[in-house]
Amino acid sequence: KAGVTQTPRYLIKTRGQQVTLSCSPISGHRSVSWYQQTPGQGLQFLFEYFSETQRNKGNFPGRFSGRQFSNSRSEMNVSTLELGDSALYLCASSLRGSPLHFGNGTRLTVT
Amino acid sequence: AQKITQTQPGMFVQEKEAVTLDCTYDTSDQSYGLFWYKQPSSGEMIFLIYQGSYDEQNATEGRYSLNFQKARKSANLVISASQLGDSAMYFCAINLVRNAGKSTFGDGTTLTVKP
Repeated sequence: KAGVTQTPRYLIKTRGQQVTLSCSPISGHRSVSWYQQTPGQGLQFLFEYFSETQRNKGNFPGRFSGRQFSNSRSEMNVSTLELGDSALYLCASSLRGSPLHFGNGTRLTVT
Repeated sequence: AQKITQTQPGMFVQEKEAVTLDCTYDTSDQSYGLFWYKQPSSGEMIFLIYQGSYDEQNATEGRYSLNFQKARKSANLVISASQLGDSAMYFCAINLVRNAGKSTFGDGTTLTVKP
């Protein structure tokens, strides 16, 4: 069974731009969640989608948004990028919310 | 809100020896799950082991075991017979059964296995 696939692996963007990250979950997994990982803040929960509905949301500004499609694939969008958005963004899928099966992550660098 | 505390930023262990990584948690809910994940330098997070709050037996998965002490709110990970490939960052996490889609992670412990 294929694992969680995140694309792209690396991104370099400029302040003020927007970015879209993609995540394909393990087949059959309906829950997809996103986490931001930085050296200073550690792993922080962004949001979780289940059957195309946002079921949980973390404490991030509205610039961070996401969605889930009918095939459970998910996208995360960050608008008006700031330097502090530089991070490893991890997507995870699961059957019922846990345990989490993570992808390799997308490393975003904002310059 | 849930909180995970991992007090060991870094740990060293000799190959083939056992090591314990500490994790304490805080929650007012009675129904929760505790997890350990491993993150090698490649970045991918790998699920290792799970313990439910009502499980009476400590969880074990191969060389990994979870020392669950509910009264002390601790969920330490024990790795037996350490291998060089065990060198990685280890994260303890908690979620609530009523809201399983949101996990709270600790700051992690970097484990280095010495040959």
